[in-house]
Amino acid sequence: KAGVTQTPRYLIKTRGQQVTLSCSPISGHRSVSWYQQTPGQGLQFLFEYFSETQRNKGNFPGRFSGRQFSNSRSEMNVSTLELGDSALYLCASNMSPSGTSYNEQFFGPGTRLTVL
Amino acid sequence: GENVEQHPSTLSVQEGDSAVIKCTYSDSASNYFPWYKQELGKRPQLIIDIRSNVGEKKDQRIAVTLNKTAKHFSLHITETQPEDSAVYFCAASIGVGGLTGRRALTFGSGTRLQVQP
Repeated sequence: KAGVTQTPRYLIKTRGQQVTLSCSPISGHRSVSWYQQTPGQGLQFLFEYFSETQRNKGNFPGRFSGRQFSNSRSEMNVSTLELGDSALYLCASNMSPSGTSYNEQFFGPGTRLTVL
Repeated sequence: GENVEQHPSTLSVQEGDSAVIKCTYSDSASNYFPWYKQELGKRPQLIIDIRSNVGEKKDQRIAVTLNKTAKHFSLHITETQPEDSAVYFCAASIGVGGLTGRRALTFGSGTRLQVQP
């Protein structure tokens, strides 16, 4: 099975711009979660999508949004970029159907976003 | 809010020694506790996980223990090797949906393990 893929791998943007990141989960996985990884803050949960619906959401401002398509691919959008948004954005997929328990999360390689 | 605390933030051991990383969590309903290893420039990968109905789990040189009463769990690596050098993250399934029972993985801040040859 192919692993989780993310595009693009690297992005450079300037403050005030917006960006869209893409994630394709492992075939058969319907849950996609997004995380922000920074050196000081570790892995911060952004949101999770399941069957095209946002199922869980972390403590990030409304500038961070996402969506999921019928083929389970997910996109994440950040509007009005700030310098502090520079980070590695990781998505992960898993088979968990219910949201009340978990199976292994498989991570993608990440998209490194630099905001200048 | 509910969170996961991880200690230490850095750990340096000699090859062959043991390494222990500890995490505490605040949500008593947490039921899933994975550990991920992230090598430099690579994605996090699951190395071991434990569910709340089990107190200990072992896989070769790696073991995880869970104390539900005290709400802490630990990763133990024995006979460390240079290739064990990486950042290790613990995580716990934390309730995020109030009465819906929905849970999300909340990660600790990571431990940078360095194994000196």
